[in-house]
Amino acid sequence: EVQLVESGGGLVQPGRSLKLSCAASGFTFSNYGMAWVCQAPTKGLEWVASISTGGGNTYYRDSVKGRFTISRDNAKNTLYLQMDSLRSEDTATYYCARHERTNGFDYWGQGVMVTVSS
Amino acid sequence: DVVLTQTPPTLLATIGQSVSISCRSSQSLLHSNGNTYLNWLLQRTGQSPQPLIYLVSKLESGVPNRFSGSGSGTDFTLKISGVEAEDLGVYYCMQFTHYPTFGGGTKLELK
Repeated sequence: EVQLVESGGGLVQPGRSLKLSCAASGFTFSNYGMAWVCQAPTKGLEWVASISTGGGNTYYRDSVKGRFTISRDNAKNTLYLQMDSLRSEDTATYYCARHERTNGFDYWGQGVMVTVSS
Repeated sequence: DVVLTQTPPTLLATIGQSVSISCRSSQSLLHSNGNTYLNWLLQRTGQSPQPLIYLVSKLESGVPNRFSGSGSGTDFTLKISGVEAEDLGVYYCMQFTHYPTFGGGTKLELK
């Protein structure tokens, strides 16, 4: 059974950093691209970043470029999102998702809440 | 960025009624490889999104066949033929022909 379990969320002050993790199981992690998607309270879904199978290619939405870094450790079956210079508008639930080449985001984690507030 | 516009934003339905949701893209979603990467997802209240349809019209495993998708280029439609209680929630279209983007969502509620 495919499982994606996010962790690392919480309350953080503006300008500070936070690192999210997503532990994957039930599939060969290194064979799939992965992504982070966020959802602000009562709002819709927004893609944040994606990473290729080996980690050599990364992609970001404009609003997080230069502040967020997506990475992965295939030996640990874990996806990461390093979030620096956090802003109040980054407040959201962050989901990790498996990116299947044809099906798209075919499995999602349960999400982790990030609140940026002083 | 590719903008996906979903209509209507809210849909009121009775059990057994058939409904449709529209998703219009600001750019063609036809990829150079011939595929159109347009998906539909359902997010029930308090849950993570779950995929329903990929490549415009292909049902994900386990998705009931009362769901169907159609369209091409920039205009796409999700149809539910006979709404059931478990279908309530927010529906999103999503494309990844270009950098991934999502529609604004359509909330399906009981009338």
